[in-house]
Amino acid sequence: KAGVTQTPRYLIKTRGQQVTLSCSPISGHRSVSWYQQTPGQGLQFLFEYFSETQRNKGNFPGRFSGRQFSNSRSEMNVSTLELGDSALYLCASSGDLSSYNSPLHFGNGTRLTVT
Amino acid sequence: ELKVEQNPLFLSMQEGKNYTIYCNYSTTSDRLYWYRQDPGKSLESLFVLLSNGAVKQEGRLMASLDTKARLSTLHITAAVHDLSATYFCAVLKGGSQGNLIFGKGTKLSVKP
Repeated sequence: KAGVTQTPRYLIKTRGQQVTLSCSPISGHRSVSWYQQTPGQGLQFLFEYFSETQRNKGNFPGRFSGRQFSNSRSEMNVSTLELGDSALYLCASSGDLSSYNSPLHFGNGTRLTVT
Repeated sequence: ELKVEQNPLFLSMQEGKNYTIYCNYSTTSDRLYWYRQDPGKSLESLFVLLSNGAVKQEGRLMASLDTKARLSTLHITAAVHDLSATYFCAVLKGGSQGNLIFGKGTKLSVKP
């Protein structure tokens, strides 16, 4: 079974630009979550999607947005990039609520550098 | 507000020694996770702990959960160099399936 796939692996952008990151969950998983990891703030929750609906959102500005498609693939978008947005962005997927004993499965991440 | 605290944040061990990483959390949660992260890599799931008194073991690692004390421990037995990594505990925020609150991580270095 293929794992969580994130593309691209690396991105370099300039301040003020926007960026779109993509995540394909494990086949059959309908829940997708996004996290930002930085040395200073650690791992922080961005948002969670289930069946194309955003269920939870973390404490990030409106420049951060996401969506989920009918095939459970998800994208996140960051507009008007700032230097502080440089981070590793991780996507995680999980099954439905009956898979109580299962962990969130993380992808390899997208390393975003803003210059 | 749900907060997760890990200690220590840095741990330098000699091979063959035992040690414990502690994870305290501030409010009730259904699930507690332990993950491992190698430098430049993603998060690898180690354990999912659901109920009070739960204990799980994999190789030299053993995790336990005390929901009354809101405390989980990750015990390392007879450490080897391959265990060098950063270990995170995370607690599931209520009402969600994918909203994990992470501790700051414990960077473990095992020296020969």
